[in-house]
Amino acid sequence: GENVEQHPSTLSVQEGDSAVIKCTYSDSASNYFPWYKQELGKGPQLIIDIRSNVGEKKDQRIAVTLNKTAKHFSLHITETQPEDSAVYFCAASYSSASKIIFGSGTRLSIRP
Amino acid sequence: DVKVTQSSRYLVKRTGEKVFLECVQDMDHENMFWYRQDPGLGLRLIYFSYDVKMKEKGDIPEGYSVSREKKERFSLILESASTNQTSMYLCASSLSDRGVGNTIYFGEGSWLTVV
Repeated sequence: GENVEQHPSTLSVQEGDSAVIKCTYSDSASNYFPWYKQELGKGPQLIIDIRSNVGEKKDQRIAVTLNKTAKHFSLHITETQPEDSAVYFCAASYSSASKIIFGSGTRLSIRP
Repeated sequence: DVKVTQSSRYLVKRTGEKVFLECVQDMDHENMFWYRQDPGLGLRLIYFSYDVKMKEKGDIPEGYSVSREKKERFSLILESASTNQTSMYLCASSLSDRGVGNTIYFGEGSWLTVV
């Protein structure tokens, strides 16, 4: 079955700097890769996703890149702000499956 | 906006008690899920359902059961709660897959402590 590995488990960056979180997946049939942000005391919320026919996607300060050959994808946050502090989860699924497999999460802290 | 509502945010139960965690979604989603979240382990799938009265085991179904009598409601049942089931439980829903990827919408979570 699908397995998703996420690194690092914790990340601390200076406000204004960039943050990068990386994930690898095992099932080459995976074709959908969402990223979720979980703020303290809340459920995870989708922040960006990418499908296998695209190599990169941007939405303001966040971007996701996908390398299907290497089976890895990354989340990039630029010009980080205090409100970016949260736990981030990557995930992968493939079109014939209704379930998504999540990575173990990255706790991102933004230092003022 | 999609809304997934978990009826209990915080529960304290005794070992051996039967525990019900209720979840309701308002977007007519076919799929519903129960995840368990523990530090360092991410989100682990307990059970999911892709239709009324249908259920499938996830990665960690032992000690749990589920019920889906209506499309909008998915219940997680701990038949005999144990201390190792102390955790945060997340309910989620999504549309049925149509080859375009599944956006999963989560509830706010239910914190369960078993003493």
